[in-house]
Amino acid sequence: DVVMTQTPVSLPVSLGGQASISCRSSQSLVHSNGNTYLHWYLQKPGQSPQLLIYRVSNRFSGVPDRFSGSGSGTDFTLKISRVEPEDLGDYYCLQSTHFPDTFGAGTKLELK
Amino acid sequence: QVQLKESGPGLVQPSQTLSLTCTVSGFSLTSYNVHWVRQPTGKGLEWMGVIWTGGSTDYNSALKSRLSISRDTSKSQVFLKMNSLQTEDIATYYCAREGVAFDYWGQGVMVTVSS
Repeated sequence: DVVMTQTPVSLPVSLGGQASISCRSSQSLVHSNGNTYLHWYLQKPGQSPQLLIYRVSNRFSGVPDRFSGSGSGTDFTLKISRVEPEDLGDYYCLQSTHFPDTFGAGTKLELK
Repeated sequence: QVQLKESGPGLVQPSQTLSLTCTVSGFSLTSYNVHWVRQPTGKGLEWMGVIWTGGSTDYNSALKSRLSISRDTSKSQVFLKMNSLQTEDIATYYCAREGVAFDYWGQGVMVTVSS
């Protein structure tokens, strides 16, 4: 199975500041069809995960442009600018290129 | 609008079978794959399995011997059955639609294993 390594485990931030989360895969996430199936989720306390970014850099419907995704191959980053209180929670990356789908272990975004 | 809702018993006895239902609305099971994902309390997410639009299934190899996913398209329901439950199966179980990614999730159902 593809191992997804997320860092950091915990990320203290100040409101209005910027946050950056890394996700590295144990093998390339470029599918044979040319797409890269790397997605980002936010799970707020007591809620289900919600999709933020799909296929590396595409914001899902309703996601503010403060969220941006980048990367290629095995190395991916989620950036959050101008952090707001509703951005706090656990962030997960997910790869769906290779069977089975695998998640990163998560990054807790919390107030400094 | 797209909705998924899990239902089922919150308590299962050790070695017994877990049966959960995911009732969907706003989309057809013949047009979108539906996945099951679980999350032990305070821990990360684990992909369990999928039922494809054509009705075939795939499972996490770690669970494959115990897990079965099926559906009733006329009722817009997807079913999860997992046998021989143990304490390590204590988790919140989610169903999720596969659109551009797992784009819509149910609210989850918490399952405890205890006698």
